[in-house]
Amino acid sequence: DGGITQSPKYLFRKEGQNVTLSCEQNLNHDAMYWYRQDPGQGLRLIYYSQIVNDFQKGDIAEGYSVSREKKESFPLTVTSAQKNPTAFYLCASSSTFRGLGYEQYFGPGTRLTVT
Amino acid sequence: GEDVEQSLFLSVREGDSSVINCTYTDSSSTYLYWYKQEPGAGLQLLTYIFSNMDMKQDQRLTVLLNKKDKHLSLRIADTQTGDSAIYFCAESTGGATNKLIFGTGTLLAVQP
Repeated sequence: DGGITQSPKYLFRKEGQNVTLSCEQNLNHDAMYWYRQDPGQGLRLIYYSQIVNDFQKGDIAEGYSVSREKKESFPLTVTSAQKNPTAFYLCASSSTFRGLGYEQYFGPGTRLTVT
Repeated sequence: GEDVEQSLFLSVREGDSSVINCTYTDSSSTYLYWYKQEPGAGLQLLTYIFSNMDMKQDQRLTVLLNKKDKHLSLRIADTQTGDSAIYFCAESTGGATNKLIFGTGTLLAVQP
């Protein structure tokens, strides 16, 4: 049963604390992505990784960090430097081979609330 | 820069057809996607079209692409209450980076 899992579904933190969101995929995809969604807005790219041990900043990387030590996993850390961390966070993955298609498949999301 | 625009809201009656529109600015876009998001959930890929195609049909879904006007539409035939959701269009140039640029989403409300 292939897919992308994110945990936890809901996360609550106090201001000033770092928090790490989990994303795991068993689709054998090389590329993984983190997006942020705010109410009434589209998704904005935070970080992406095309291969293990490599990642690039997206459009809104400030205050976030990632690692890609394994192909299946791409955790996102929301640091205390992120000014407005409360949001819905979505992880996605895709193939990087034209023959397999570039479609991105999404996990169920983690709703982070920071007070 | 890259930009994708959608109307915010569409209301239809059950059984009618829905047409959700999207315009984009990046002429180098190679792939155009439609995603569906139900409340509190992730995005579900509905369908996609390559930029060298004009139309793609998949069961109740029809995608039309006017590359000259950079206009994309999604038609849902025989709309059901279960189709109520937010629909996002997205563009990508594919390839190694494969960055998706999303529209703001269209909320489709289906009235019984």
